[in-house]
Amino acid sequence: DGGITQSPKYLFRKEGQNVTLSCEQNLNHDAMYWYRQDPGQGLRLIYYSQIVNDFQKGDIAEGYSVSREKKESFPLTVTSAQKNPTAFYLCASSIGGVPGSYNEQFFGPGTRLTVL
Amino acid sequence: SQKIEQNSEALNIQEGKTATLTCNYTNYSPAYLQWYRQDPGRGPVFLLLIRENEKEKRKERLKVTFDTTLKQSLFHITASQPADSATYLCALDRSGYALNFGKGTSLLVTP
Repeated sequence: DGGITQSPKYLFRKEGQNVTLSCEQNLNHDAMYWYRQDPGQGLRLIYYSQIVNDFQKGDIAEGYSVSREKKESFPLTVTSAQKNPTAFYLCASSIGGVPGSYNEQFFGPGTRLTVL
Repeated sequence: SQKIEQNSEALNIQEGKTATLTCNYTNYSPAYLQWYRQDPGRGPVFLLLIRENEKEKRKERLKVTFDTTLKQSLFHITASQPADSATYLCALDRSGYALNFGKGTSLLVTP
């Protein structure tokens, strides 16, 4: 089955600890994204990557870091510098790569992070 | 700054009726607009994309309109069913193929 996987589905961490959320896709997509969703809120862009070994900050990148060493993987680290990390985190991918393309995004099932 | 507004109040309609959801935007000239469906605790699922030079797009019971003068998109579900109950998000393009999402409108279809 082609798609995006995120693990784990639920994650609990103590305050002050860094935590890494996994995102893997086997759709052969060039572009990948991380969003955060809080209750009753829309999706806010954290980071995105258009191609391997390249990524850009979104609207709320402070306290987060990413890497894109492989096309299929885009892990997100929530650092202790993130003031309010408890949220629902969504990873997505799209074909990307083609200038002027209007490709839709495919989302993973999400990881719900709770910081205690 | 760019702003996307969707009706924050939930929309309750009776099965069989047409549901109409609104997406307004300001300080924007998007090349395209997308609609997604999100069920509780799950990731959004893509439904439809409409380009700036298209007035209307249809897919089965779904219809989307895009008025760049009014800066508005309408999303219609005809012959609505209880299974259509979900939150519907509109999204507009931004740099790097990323999207700006609205907060979504919750739709509840009752039998």
